[in-house]
Amino acid sequence: SQQGEEDPQALSIQEGENATMNCSYKTSINNLQWYRQNSGRGLVHLILIRSNEREKHSGRLRVTLDTSKKSSSLLITASRAADTASYFCATDWIGNNDMRFGAGTRLTVKP
Amino acid sequence: DTEVTQTPKHLVMGMTNKKSLKCEQHMGHRAMYWYKQKAKKPPELMFVYSYEKLSINESVPSRFSPECPNSSLLNLHLHALQPEDSALYLCASSQVRTGVAGNTIYFGEGSWLTVV
Repeated sequence: SQQGEEDPQALSIQEGENATMNCSYKTSINNLQWYRQNSGRGLVHLILIRSNEREKHSGRLRVTLDTSKKSSSLLITASRAADTASYFCATDWIGNNDMRFGAGTRLTVKP
Repeated sequence: DTEVTQTPKHLVMGMTNKKSLKCEQHMGHRAMYWYKQKAKKPPELMFVYSYEKLSINESVPSRFSPECPNSSLLNLHLHALQPEDSALYLCASSQVRTGVAGNTIYFGEGSWLTVV
C-alpha cells in the first residue's frame, strides 16, 4: 500500500524555471528517498534523506524534510527539458523496513 | 558499479505459459526486491529477499513465484497469469533492507510483461 502522497500530480514549467514537488506521508519514517523515472524506464535514485536530517543538496536538487509536518519537498533549480520525467518519493517507516512509493508527480519542462 | 540488470526487457506470454524474469546485481547487496508498476501508477512492492531468504510477500497471488538462487540473482517465475498482470516488473537491490541503516535502493530498467 502507498505511504506517501505527492502534489502536484502534474507540473508543467518552462526551461530555466524552478520546479517544486511535495511529498506527504502518514507514519513516522526512517528514511525518505526521491527517484526519477523517464517514461517506461527504471527508477533513478536522486537523494536519500534520513529522518534526523532536514535538508540535502545534490547539484541542482534540494530536498527538505519536515518530520513534524510529515512532509518532504524536492526542488529542481534551473530546470532543463531533460528533467521531464515522473518523480516519486518513497519511504520506509518505523517498524517496516521496506520502501513504498507515493503516487508521483509528472514534471514537464518545455524548451 | 551501481547496476541492476534485468532480462528480458520485454516478454509476451499466453495465459497458459510458464516464463521467468531474471535479475542480477554484483554490488554485494544482500537485500533484493520485486516491484510491479502499472501505467501511470507508482511501483508496488511485491517481494523482499534478505540474505537469500524471503522476508516479505505482499499478498501476491501464487501465480507469481519468486526465487533467490544466490546472493546475486533473483528470479520471478510466472505461471497462469492473467491479462491484468501486464505491467512493468522492476527488480531492485540494497546493501541490506533499509530501515535505520538508510540504504539506497537501486533499480533495474525493468521487464515489460504483456499477458495475452
